[in-house]
This record gives sequence, structure tokens and C-alpha cells, in this order.
Amino acid sequence: NFMLTQPHSVSESPGKTVTISCTGSSGSIASNYVQWYQQRPGSAPTTVIYEDNQRPSGVPDRFSGSIDSSSNSASLTISGLKTEDEADYYCQSYDSSNQGVFGGGTKLTVL
Amino acid sequence: QVQLQESGPGLVKPSETLSLTCTVSGGSISSYYWSWIRQPPGKGLEWIGYIYYSGSTNYNPSLKSRVTISVDTSKNQFSLKLSSVTAADTAVYYCARAPLGAGAKGVYYYMDVWGKGTTVTVSS
Repeated sequence: NFMLTQPHSVSESPGKTVTISCTGSSGSIASNYVQWYQQRPGSAPTTVIYEDNQRPSGVPDRFSGSIDSSSNSASLTISGLKTEDEADYYCQSYDSSNQGVFGGGTKLTVL
Repeated sequence: QVQLQESGPGLVKPSETLSLTCTVSGGSISSYYWSWIRQPPGKGLEWIGYIYYSGSTNYNPSLKSRVTISVDTSKNQFSLKLSSVTAADTAVYYCARAPLGAGAKGVYYYMDVWGKGTTVTVSS
């Protein structure tokens, strides 16, 4: 079964840059698109990145996505961290049957 | 602006069937995939499955034997049924719109609009 692995938690100071990784278990993560969702406490998820590196309207350009085939991983980078960025972040892609797969989520603390 | 609202019982007994409906307002249910996702207390997101407005479906293999997703285009609604529930099915259930995208890697879908979620507890 295809799985996506994320670090359980990351922390960084306001104004700094943080990168959250998402590693594919098998095959090439670059074969399918990766999305990233932000979930603030008590709220539904919202999309911050789709199609590997595209931002929906309204998402600031401080958020960016990338794929690294050499490490079979996707990354979400948030620059100029703000306290409002503190949330859980989930990567999402697909298995060989086009079924959705989520990573386990990463808790971002901005301290 | 499209909005999604989940509805259904908040408490279901073990071995019974969980039934939820997602009502789409502010837009048509046509030409999109529509997904269900759940989140057990304190845990991550789990994709349950999707339905295309035409009726074709795709389910998480781990739930496939118990899941049915259906669509009613006349009511702009789609629904989730999960049979033989246990305490492990206790979760917040989200419905989401999943538009089709097309890029260099082919056709894909992603969740762009989510409902607020509804909590379902499985307990006697």
C-alpha cells in the first residue's frame, strides 16, 4: 500500500522559514500530483497547495510546494512565518488506483 | 460561492449503518468529483472515497466492503453509508468538492471546498 510519511511536528520562530517534508513509500512521488492542506484547531482543512506547487487564490505567496525526485519527497515551505500559520499540515496524493492517500500530518508550532 | 453542509445522526450504535448527507449550495453538483474524508479524534485525515456526478465511484480499499457513496443531482446532494460500524468509526466526517485538474502528469482531483464537518460517535 502506498503511504506518505510526514514528520510529526516542526517548530520555528516568527519571520523564519520552515519546510515540511512528505515522503512516498514506493514508486515515484513525482508520478502523481501532491496537494497540501492546512487545518487550524477546531476547523476543517483548507487547501494551500495543489498540483505540486500551485496556490489557490487567497493563499499568500509565502506558501510554496516542490517535488524532489531524488528523495522521493514533496515539500511545503512557508517563509516569513506568522503566528497564524500555526496549524496541522497534511500532504495528499494518490495510489496506483487513483485512490486518495493522506500523510499522517505535521503539527507546526510558531514560537 | 459554493458551500457544503454535512447532516446526519451524531450517534450510531455498533453494528448499525452510519448515514450522512452533504448538501451543496451556491453551485451545481455537476462536473465535479465529490469526496468524503474522516478524522478520528486526535488523529489524521483518512480518505473514504469519491463519487463523480454521473455516479461512478472509487473507495478506500480498507473500507470498500462497508462503504456506499451515492449522488442525487436533483437535490444537489451526495451521501455516505458505512455499514457494520464499530467504535473505530468514531470520527469527524467531512464532505468536500474535488474538481478535476489536468496537467503534465495527467488528470487528477483534489479537495478545494470542504464542509465544516460533523461528529459521529459510535456507541451503545
